[in-house]
Amino acid sequence: DTQMTQSPSSLSASVGDRVTITCRASQSIRIYLSWYQLKPGKAPNLLIYDASTLQSGVPSRFSGSGSGTDFTLTISSLQPEDFATYYCQQTYTTLPTWTFGQGTKVEIK
Amino acid sequence: EVQLVQSRAEVKKPGESLKISCKGSGYSFSNYWIGWVRQMPGKGLEWLGIIYAADSDARYSPSFQGHVTISVDRSISTAYLQWNSLKASDTAIYYCARRAYSASGQAYYMDVWGTGTTVTVSS
Repeated sequence: DTQMTQSPSSLSASVGDRVTITCRASQSIRIYLSWYQLKPGKAPNLLIYDASTLQSGVPSRFSGSGSGTDFTLTISSLQPEDFATYYCQQTYTTLPTWTFGQGTKVEIK
Repeated sequence: EVQLVQSRAEVKKPGESLKISCKGSGYSFSNYWIGWVRQMPGKGLEWLGIIYAADSDARYSPSFQGHVTISVDRSISTAYLQWNSLKASDTAIYYCARRAYSASGQAYYMDVWGTGTTVTVSS
């Protein structure tokens, strides 16, 4: 299995801060990586696909980068509505074995 | 509007059976794969499996193979996740999501998600 290691598992930040979350794959997954935002009681929200392509309707303060094994999600200026948990997912391996990172909870400092 | 609407929360006893649903609207249901994802209490997301709505081709994560069944009814644009014998460890939120494909990057991703169905299994 391709393991996805996300860090940190949680972080505290203030409105306006720049936040960076990393995701590392146990083997190369090229750019087959997407990022999701999860809030309690709501549908998960796709933010980034192809490692760096911003999903339509997602604010431009979100950006993704990386390829191969190392990836980053950056929020350039944290807004109140961004406090949530973020997950990466690889879709490089054969269909049934797609895996998520462990998640990063972004909390208010 | 493209959306996936999931069935309501369920409370069941160990050993009981259950089938939860995910109804697609606003798009051609049969043209897409629908995946299922689990979130146990206080835990992260786990990939269960996926089904192609056009021909019911279902693929399961090895961790869930044999314990759940994924199916689809194209006539009502609905995908299902089913258990024959629930365990307390099945207590979780279950999300369905539509698989999309990026022609530019050639990667798959889940572009539309349901709000989740909470399943509680307790004696």
